[in-house]
Parts: sequence; structure tokens; C-alpha cells
Amino acid sequence: EVQLVESGGTVVQPGGSLRLLCAASGFTFDDYAMHWVRQRPGKGLEWVSLLSWDGGVTYYAASVKGRFTISRDNSRNSLYLQMNSLRPEDTALYFCAKNGLGDGYNFDSWGQGTLVTVSS
Amino acid sequence: QSALTQPPSASGSPGQSVTISCTGTSSDVGGYKYVSWYQQYPGKAPKLLIYDVNKRPSGVPDRFSGSKSGNTASLTVSGLQADDEADYYCSSYAGTSYVFGTGTKVTVL
Repeated sequence: EVQLVESGGTVVQPGGSLRLLCAASGFTFDDYAMHWVRQRPGKGLEWVSLLSWDGGVTYYAASVKGRFTISRDNSRNSLYLQMNSLRPEDTALYFCAKNGLGDGYNFDSWGQGTLVTVSS
Repeated sequence: QSALTQPPSASGSPGQSVTISCTGTSSDVGGYKYVSWYQQYPGKAPKLLIYDVNKRPSGVPDRFSGSKSGNTASLTVSGLQADDEADYYCSSYAGTSYVFGTGTKVTVL
């Protein structure tokens, strides 16, 4: 069974930094691209970033480009999101998601999320 | 990349059908065959219902179906059941990014 467990969310001041972790199990981690998706309180889903299976390809949403960095350690079955220059609008529940079925342009498994609050 | 447009709410009685639209542009929904749909209960993670416009993952009932015409995709839930009451989101690949819909809250009357 696929399991994705996010951690690292906490309260951080504007301008601060945070690193999120997603621990994966139940599948061959280095066969799949991985994503981060966020959901602001009471709002909809927003795709944040994609990292290819080998770390060679990264995509970012315009709202986080230049501030967030996605990375992975396939030896540890782990996905990371380094978040710098945090803003109040980055407050959200951050999900990691496994690249999906068919041609892969979907999110077929999700973690439960980790909450990041940016506030002074 | 702007969010795809969904109606904020939809409703139906048990046994009826409800269809949710998802409107984008030629740069996302209209340009690729990679529309997916997700169901989310309050406080829970989203669950994949439909991928590649009209394919269902194993375990998803055939009451859920997807389609696309031009820049608009649709999700139909047939034979509505009480536990279909949830939020539904579409998503589309958009080249070097992904975009989600604004979300639709489905109420079973």
C-alpha cells in the first residue's frame, strides 16, 4: 500500500525558511515523479512543484518560483520542499503526491498534509 | 496560470445524476488529454477519481465518468449516494505546470 507521510510544518515568521519532508513507502519511489500541492485554509487546491524520478526535471508554480526548491533522496525514499522568503499567503496545508496512472499526468496517491503557518 | 473554472456548488437527490463542468483554455484543458478529477472530504486528502479525461482507477465505481469537449471537461456522478457529498476538483496538465479547478461542493439532498 502506498504511504506518503509529510512532516516539518510549523509556525514561521514572514521572511523565514522551512523544509518539508515527505516520507514514501509501499512503492518503488525512484520510479516516479513526485509533486507538492497546497491548500490554503478553506480554499481550493494549488499545484506547487514537480520533480522527476531522477531529480533532473523540476517545475514550479509562478507563485513560488525562485523561493521554493523541490528535491529528493531516492536512497531514503524521501521528497523535500525547501521554502524560503515565506509570505503570509504561503500559509497552507502542504500535500505531497505521487505522479500517477496512465501517462502519468495526475496525482494518484496523496499524503495527509503538513500545515505551514506564516505569521508574526 | 489561472485556476480552471468550476461551479461553486451542485446538488441532487439520491439516485439522480449531477454533472460538474471544468472550463479552461487551449493552454490546459483544450490542449492536452490529461484532465483528472479528485474527490475530497473535509479534513482529508484528495482522492483520484478520473484520469486522462475518462479513465477510472481500480476501485472507483463506474458511477463516476469523465468527458471533454474543447476547453471544457466534465465529471458526471450517476446514481448519487449520500457519501458522494464532498468537494470535487478538476486538474489539467498545462505544459510545464499543472492547474486545478476552483472546486465544486456537491450536496446530496
